[in-house]
Amino acid sequence: KAGVTQTPRYLIKTRGQQVTLSCSPISGHRSVSWYQQTPGQGLQFLFEYFSETQRNKGNFPGRFSGRQFSNSRSEMNVSTLELGDSALYLCASSLSGASGANVLTFGAGSRLTVL
Amino acid sequence: DQQVKQNSPSLSVQEGRISILNCDYTNSMFDYFLWYKKYPAEGPTFLISISSIKDKNEDGRFTVFLNKSAKHLSLHIVPSQPGDSAVYFCAASSSSGSARQLTFGSGTQLTVLP
Repeated sequence: KAGVTQTPRYLIKTRGQQVTLSCSPISGHRSVSWYQQTPGQGLQFLFEYFSETQRNKGNFPGRFSGRQFSNSRSEMNVSTLELGDSALYLCASSLSGASGANVLTFGAGSRLTVL
Repeated sequence: DQQVKQNSPSLSVQEGRISILNCDYTNSMFDYFLWYKKYPAEGPTFLISISSIKDKNEDGRFTVFLNKSAKHLSLHIVPSQPGDSAVYFCAASSSSGSARQLTFGSGTQLTVLP
């Protein structure tokens, strides 16, 4: 069974640009979550999608957005990039979201560097 | 306000000894707790979990203990092996309400010395 696939793995952008990251969940998983990891901050929740609908959103500015397609694949977009957006962006999939014994399976992440 | 805290950024132990990683939480609504392990250039991988109705869960060399009154959990690795060297994240979730997210601690870098 293929795992969670994230593309691209690494990318470099400059301030003011925008970026789109892609995530393909495990087959059969309908929930896709996005997290941002920065040094010393752990993983911060961005948002969660289920059946093409955003169910939850973390405390991030509106420059961060996402969507989910009918095949459960998801994209996240960051507009007007700032230096502080440099981070590892992790996608995780699950059957129905992080609740109880429903474990999230993470991809390897997309490493974004903003210059 | 960090709802899940891992106060030790790093921990070094000798191979064969016990590793104890600690985690504290503040949100009483959390009722499920998980530990993830992360190697460089890889995503976090699930290690072990515990429900709030239990105080201990064991899986091979890994045991998680939960003290609800103290809002504290710990992960014990016995015996520790060099391959266990990684960043360990504690995470929590709540089955109440509509939120379906994990709240993570900031991680503890475990180094097991051969």
